[in-house]
Amino acid sequence: GENVEQHPSTLSVQEGDSAVIKCTYSDSASNYFPWYKQELGKGPQLIIDIRSNVGEKKDQRIAVTLNKTAKHFSLHITETQPEDSAVYFCAASMDSWGKLQFGAGTQVVVTP
Amino acid sequence: GAVVSQHPSWVICKSGTSVKIECRSLDFQATTMFWYRQFPKQSLMLMATSNEGSKATYEQGVEKDKFLINHASLTLSTLTVTSAHPEDSSFYICSAIGQGRFNQPQHFGDGTRLSIL
Repeated sequence: GENVEQHPSTLSVQEGDSAVIKCTYSDSASNYFPWYKQELGKGPQLIIDIRSNVGEKKDQRIAVTLNKTAKHFSLHITETQPEDSAVYFCAASMDSWGKLQFGAGTQVVVTP
Repeated sequence: GAVVSQHPSWVICKSGTSVKIECRSLDFQATTMFWYRQFPKQSLMLMATSNEGSKATYEQGVEKDKFLINHASLTLSTLTVTSAHPEDSSFYICSAIGQGRFNQPQHFGDGTRLSIL
């Protein structure tokens, strides 16, 4: 089955700096790669996703890149703000309506 | 946007009690719902996949007789933890996918924190 590895496990950045989280996956059949933000005591919230026919996608301060050959994808957050502090999870699936395999998560702390 | 609601958000009960958690899709019909369990500082682990009107499909290692899932309507799925013990204490989260689900992402509820004394 699919195995998703996520690094780093914790990330501290100064407000205004960029944050990058990287994930690798094992199953070449995976075609859908969402990123979720989870705040304490809440469920995950989808922040951006990318499909295998696209190499990069951007939504305001958030961008995701995908290298299907190398089987890795990354989340980039620019101009970080304190409200970006949360746990971020990457995931992989064959399609958006299928089972998601989550990475271990990254605790992001943005200090003012 | 699409909203998934879970109830209760937090429950504390004695060992041996059975606990039911509800997952509702508020503004769309969910053909498929997923149930996850998350232990502190860990990732989400899929427990089972629930399709409306059919039996749930459980992941390896998840006891189907302990975690009863019912998806009787297109807007409601329930997870019942039977004879709960302290080791069942966890954060349970559901997600849902709507009809016409192709290319639609999963929407997650806000989870239920279960504490067994």
